[in-house]
Amino acid sequence: EPEVTQTPSHQVTQMGQEVILRCVPISNHLYFYWYRQILGQKVEFLVSFYNNEISEKSEIFDDQFSVERPDGSNFTLKIRSTKLEDSAMYFCASSELRTVYGYTFGSGTRLTVV
Amino acid sequence: AQKVTQAQTEISVVEKEDVTLDCVYETRDTTYYLFWYKQPPSGELVFLIRRNSFDEQNEISGRYSWNFQKSTSSFNFTITASQVVDSAVYFCALSSNFGNEKLTFGTGTRLTIIP
Repeated sequence: EPEVTQTPSHQVTQMGQEVILRCVPISNHLYFYWYRQILGQKVEFLVSFYNNEISEKSEIFDDQFSVERPDGSNFTLKIRSTKLEDSAMYFCASSELRTVYGYTFGSGTRLTVV
Repeated sequence: AQKVTQAQTEISVVEKEDVTLDCVYETRDTTYYLFWYKQPPSGELVFLIRRNSFDEQNEISGRYSWNFQKSTSSFNFTITASQVVDSAVYFCALSSNFGNEKLTFGTGTRLTIIP
């Protein structure tokens, strides 16, 4: 069964450093998403991406965040200058156009900012 | 604005008991989709079910069943004859349109099955 792959599974970074979280969506999917889950809290939408541009973003997704699909297969989330409160699990997801089955989530990247 | 409420923060039941997880949603959309996801201790999100707003039929999949009631804006999830492997956090979620819109999650219910 096709899956969404996220790397790394866990990343530790120092406050103020830039991090790039990587995702390989399912190959025939057209919509891509990033979600965030602070430990013990609910999963929150960050951004959706379609046709090589952001289609929607949340209030959380400020200027420190950016997304890119650099080579037609990878989908990345960059945090320019990490803060302690960016520590969370970050989930990538993808979906087909008008899918019956909804999203497929990756297994997540746990980001720890120290 | 969309909202999903899971009022039960934590539930503990003894193995083999039945348990129902509640989900109440708010949306102004006439077409929307409801989801349940399971998050085991390993942290991944496991898709359980997707239901569109036009289909109010209850669904059963093995020990799992879902009750969708548009009149009360609820989409409750029942596990019959619970097992220890059912221990996880369960999230209800809502999206508009064709399900390619963003998901709005509830705060989750932590279910613990006591052996």
